[in-house]
Amino acid sequence: DIQMTQSPSTLSASIGDRVTITCRASQSISSWLAWFQQKPGRAPKLLIYKTSTLESGVPSRFSGSGSGTEFTLAISSLQPDDFATYYCQQYSTFPWTFGQGTKVEIK
Amino acid sequence: EVQLVDSGGGLVQPGGSLRLSCAASGFTFSFHVMSWVRQAPGKGLEWVSTITDSGTYYADSVRGRFTISRDNSKNTLYLQMNSLRAEDTAIYYCARGGGCFSGSCFYPDKWGPGTLVTVSS
Repeated sequence: DIQMTQSPSTLSASIGDRVTITCRASQSISSWLAWFQQKPGRAPKLLIYKTSTLESGVPSRFSGSGSGTEFTLAISSLQPDDFATYYCQQYSTFPWTFGQGTKVEIK
Repeated sequence: EVQLVDSGGGLVQPGGSLRLSCAASGFTFSFHVMSWVRQAPGKGLEWVSTITDSGTYYADSVRGRFTISRDNSKNTLYLQMNSLRAEDTAIYYCARGGGCFSGSCFYPDKWGPGTLVTVSS
């Protein structure tokens, strides 16, 4: 199975900060990586697929980059609605695997 | 508007069975691969199963106990769960998408709200 390792596990930031979350795959997944945002009591919401393609309706302050085994999610200017948990996911092969999550908290 | 509505969760004793359903609307259900993903209380996301035109796929942790199926005439996805264990306690989400075909891979782009399964005596 492909292991996905996210860092950090928790991130404390202020409104307006630029934040980045890193996801590392245990083997190459090409560009088959997605990022999700999840708020308490809600289903995950797709933000980015194929490493860097923004899902329709997702604000442009979100961006993704990387390839192979190293990937990054960036939020250019953190907004109140962005405080949530973020997960990366590889979908290059079954079993799909997810990172353990990064909780973005208010500083 | 694409909608997925999960249902069928509840409290079940260890060793028991449960069938989850996911009613789909707003898209051509038969054209899409469908998946189940679960989340134990306070934990991360875990893929459970996917159904494609060519077959079904399962996580090792549920293979032999869970069965994914679909009824395209009813636009409904199912997950039959047998021999349930305490560690199967989770919110179960149905999701649209999955698999790799002709050089492209498909991600879970739409999710249901989830249904809670609790396995406890």
